[in-house]
Amino acid sequence: ETGVTQSPTHLIKTRGQQVTLRCSSQSGHNTVSWYQQALGQGPQFIFQYYREEENGRGNFPPRFSGLQFPNYSSELNVNALELDDSALYLCASSLASPGTEAFFGQGTRLTVV
Amino acid sequence: QKEVEQDPGPLSVPEGAIVSLNCTYSNSAFQYFMWYRQYSRKGPELLMYTYSSGNKEDGRFTAQVDKSSKYISLFIRDSQPSDSATYLCAMKMTSYDKVIFGPGTSLSVIP
Repeated sequence: ETGVTQSPTHLIKTRGQQVTLRCSSQSGHNTVSWYQQALGQGPQFIFQYYREEENGRGNFPPRFSGLQFPNYSSELNVNALELDDSALYLCASSLASPGTEAFFGQGTRLTVV
Repeated sequence: QKEVEQDPGPLSVPEGAIVSLNCTYSNSAFQYFMWYRQYSRKGPELLMYTYSSGNKEDGRFTAQVDKSSKYISLFIRDSQPSDSATYLCAMKMTSYDKVIFGPGTSLSVIP
């Protein structure tokens, strides 16, 4: 049990729709990162938030956006869903401190039809 | 060339075997190296975390980092059926940086 909780666990959306995925970080963790994991591949970094500000972004278009809240929960929003957005979305929380590492939630499986 | 490459697998071994999982990388700026285990339909679970070159042991698991060769390994001794999972190598440049993952190696330990 990592203390990182994601909701929902599964979701089916139609192409063109918008989706919001949620993550509750481990208590006290001030950094949250989001990853996309396609089937059979490693997770790909989407973006990272530190103290409610985005402080790093991977190679994902602007229709992927996020928020981090003062209680360390966070959201990933994806607009104009495409079929290729079907994947496991993972959030990971950590302390912004040397020697510490990220703990992942169980992920949200998004299917776009 | 991908930033992080991993033995493709899948790998199938008998129970009790020693397993060697390997990754190579291209960015010499990576300093932090991790191994994650991921069971089907679950999030990755951190197994080993090392900084710079050297070895680290934790129970049946040993992680090795050779920065001069840009090569990292995870050894599993006395493998168990419960070790059956996908193993992901991962690395980053600084403690605050994004984590770059390899594609993963699927391991099956046969009783």
